[in-house]
Amino acid sequence: ELKVEQNPLFLSMQEGKNYTIYCNYSTTSDRLYWYRQDPGKSLESLFVLLSNGAVKQEGRLMASLDTKARLSTLHITAAVHDLSATYFCAVENNDMRFGAGTRLTVKP
Amino acid sequence: GEEVAQTPKHLVRGEGQKAKLYCAPIKGHSYVFWYQQVLKNEFKFLISFQNENVFDETGMPKERFSAKCLPNSPCSLEIQATKLEDSAVYFCASSQSPYGYTFGSGTRLTVV
Repeated sequence: ELKVEQNPLFLSMQEGKNYTIYCNYSTTSDRLYWYRQDPGKSLESLFVLLSNGAVKQEGRLMASLDTKARLSTLHITAAVHDLSATYFCAVENNDMRFGAGTRLTVKP
Repeated sequence: GEEVAQTPKHLVRGEGQKAKLYCAPIKGHSYVFWYQQVLKNEFKFLISFQNENVFDETGMPKERFSAKCLPNSPCSLEIQATKLEDSAVYFCASSQSPYGYTFGSGTRLTVV
């Protein structure tokens, strides 16, 4: 069974700092997703990573995928308060399985 | 339409009552997925459909939960005899193979 492990589960950052969220998964898959969820809202798609070595960047967020290590990272650069949300990675294997989420709080 | 429409947005049921949730996938999307998100934030996969056929139901509780996707009707997720632990937000997603899920805004079920 596909398992997706995400860490950390909680992350409190100061504005302007950098940090990385990690996502490990247990079986082979070439499609990995990162989503953002604001409280009480649905999932907002951030990135879809389709192949080994894929790197995508949007603003202060950058995601990468290493399919050999079964690892994806979401790197946050110079965090701002607006990035406060819960971030989920998800791996597709017939259906999509989610990590437990990382609740990010960016403090001024 | 270009969005996954879930109804109702909020549903309150007493323990033991039935709850029925609906999901209209994006037109042309042949896959539909149901997920349960409980307070601790984890998304639990429940069931998926390819058109009206069950594609994967490994996440569905064996009792009380059922789902359908019938032609020309919204998909539905039904919970018989709800329990307190069924309280969650239920998300539906649709996709057009092979990838690219679009999630609905969810139905918040509160069992009291």
